[in-house]
Amino acid sequence: GEDVEQSLFLSVREGDSSVINCTYTDSSSTYLYWYKQEPGAGLQLLTYIFSNMDMKQDQRLTVLLNKKDKHLSLRIADTQTGDSAIYFCAEVSGSARQLTFGSGTQLTVLP
Amino acid sequence: KAGVTQTPRYLIKTRGQQVTLSCSPISGHRSVSWYQQTPGQGLQFLFEYFSETQRNKGNFPGRFSGRQFSNSRSEMNVSTLELGDSALYLCASTPTGTGESGANVLTFGAGSRLTVL
Repeated sequence: GEDVEQSLFLSVREGDSSVINCTYTDSSSTYLYWYKQEPGAGLQLLTYIFSNMDMKQDQRLTVLLNKKDKHLSLRIADTQTGDSAIYFCAEVSGSARQLTFGSGTQLTVLP
Repeated sequence: KAGVTQTPRYLIKTRGQQVTLSCSPISGHRSVSWYQQTPGQGLQFLFEYFSETQRNKGNFPGRFSGRQFSNSRSEMNVSTLELGDSALYLCASTPTGTGESGANVLTFGAGSRLTVL
């Protein structure tokens, strides 16, 4: 089946930039998403990108997509302690009716 | 605009029992999807309903079932509970369904945390 992979942990200092990486295998992915999950909560959509785009910026968030390498990244500028959470990337292809999620990256922001 | 509402938020059951979880989607959303989240398996798709019809089903045993009502509210049921069914069950809604034209972003509820003893 299709697969989405992420590194499990990332630690950064407050004020630095964070870069969370994701790779996927489905070449027919149409949309790719980034979700954030805080302790005890559900998933909150952060941003998404259409597969024919290379980059999308939304305030402190920048998404980069390398479709050739099937690599997606999320950059968070000026990372704050409130950004500490688990970040999931997910993809959907045109024919599927489900999201395939990565395992999540635990981001820890150190003061 | 109210978000996706899941009830109950927490529940404890014993092996062999059955459980029913409820999900009220965002008003106007007709598609409801269910996902199971566990530390070992991560987020896995259970099923999707649209206009009271199950359109897609994940790789789960028949003990997991669901339904959708005419007002788009959905319930999922797990019968003969096993210890491994302990998980956070997340419901998400979208106007027309995952994979349809457009981004069709899923909006998730806070989840129902099931503990099976």
